[in-house]
Amino acid sequence: DAGVTQSPTHLIKTRGQQVTLRCSPKSGHDTVSWYQQALGQGPQFIFQYYEEEERQRGNFPDRFSGHQFPNYSSELNVNALLLGDSALYLCASSLLNPYGYTFGSGTRLTVV
Amino acid sequence: AQRVTQPEKLLSVFKGAPVELKCNYSYSGSPELFWYVQYSRQRLQLLLRHISRESIKGFTADLNKGETSFHLKKPFAQEEDSAMYYCALATSGTYKYIFGTGTRLKVLA
Repeated sequence: DAGVTQSPTHLIKTRGQQVTLRCSPKSGHDTVSWYQQALGQGPQFIFQYYEEEERQRGNFPDRFSGHQFPNYSSELNVNALLLGDSALYLCASSLLNPYGYTFGSGTRLTVV
Repeated sequence: AQRVTQPEKLLSVFKGAPVELKCNYSYSGSPELFWYVQYSRQRLQLLLRHISRESIKGFTADLNKGETSFHLKKPFAQEEDSAMYYCALATSGTYKYIFGTGTRLKVLA
């Protein structure tokens, strides 16, 4: 079992561009959560998807959106990128409740 | 507002010495608390959760509701314990974790 797989591992984008990050959950997991981790900070919750719907959202603007597919994989989209969006984006999968997240290695996004 | 505080950014101890990583939380309800660990070049992984009352790799953590703390302890530190440790809070009725800013533990030979 490969666990949680995220792609790409690194990405450089220009301000104003749009980006899509991808996540495949651990086998058997049906829930995907996304976190943003800025340098020197702990991960911050962006949103969680279950049954292809956004179940809960953190304190992030609408520029951040997501999607979950029938195979439970997920995408995180960020529009109109700002320099402040530069961070490590972590995907975590789990069963219905949040206990026992399995994290991916993350996608390092740099906005220039 | 719910919050997790890890007051130490860096904690250095000698091998064989006791370790205590501090975690305080702010939440008026019944919390679910976790410790996550990130070893060098590895992904974030669950170390332990208070509800299980388990000991993993010699680490234990006791929830103290009076002091709103969930400190991580180990009686004898090993060099392989060197890592970044994050305390996380899950609140009832939500599905998210609130993480602290982390403490880097360095165990010196």
